[in-house]
Amino acid sequence: VQLVQSGAEVKKPGASVKVSCKASGYTFTGYYIHWVRQAPGQGLEWMGRINPDGGDTNYAQQFQGRAAMTRDTSITTAYMELSGLRSDDTAVYYCARVGATSYYWGQGTLVTVSS
Amino acid sequence: QLVVTQSPSASASVGASVKLTCTLSSGHNNNAIAWHHQQPQKGPRYLMKVNFDGRHTKGDGIPDRFSGSSSGAERYLTISSLQSEDEGDYYCETWGTGTWVFGAGTKLTVL
Repeated sequence: VQLVQSGAEVKKPGASVKVSCKASGYTFTGYYIHWVRQAPGQGLEWMGRINPDGGDTNYAQQFQGRAAMTRDTSITTAYMELSGLRSDDTAVYYCARVGATSYYWGQGTLVTVSS
Repeated sequence: QLVVTQSPSASASVGASVKLTCTLSSGHNNNAIAWHHQQPQKGPRYLMKVNFDGRHTKGDGIPDRFSGSSSGAERYLTISSLQSEDEGDYYCETWGTGTWVFGAGTKLTVL
């Protein structure tokens, strides 16, 4: 199982960012993909998840309306787009494949929001 | 409201054992949890899932000196024969209907 995320991004306040998570080594549609972020010096924060088999999503309340999780099954890739960026959105964003008894993390993508 | 609580810090000497605690909020005593370890400047790594009855399922390559257990609303991670690479932050995580939540983490110092 491997999850490879896109590279670091620098964005201005108010912009949007789209982070990708390329999955390999397993059946992409068989496991939810979760997105978790970690601000500098802070703990882990769950953002939401997507079911690659159907595309249904759940979002943490604080990200409702601002985050959008999608997927492209043809290239086994999940995406997380965050809009209306603020300075406190500066963080490392992780994708993770979550199963009943297994959990695999991507390497993380640093998103820096700065004017 | 679904919340998990962890002590902010713990410490133990190389070769010793340490037991970390994750406490579930009221009404969620039957929840399973997951433990993750994050070494300094690295990404998280999944350690194991711990069920309400103490049964636990470890991730790939997690050594036998890591074990999980439960008692009531508490879930535990015990690390025996501590090594320097065990230092870092340990997070517990639980889930409900359509929502997941992490604890604030316990920073483990290996002396």
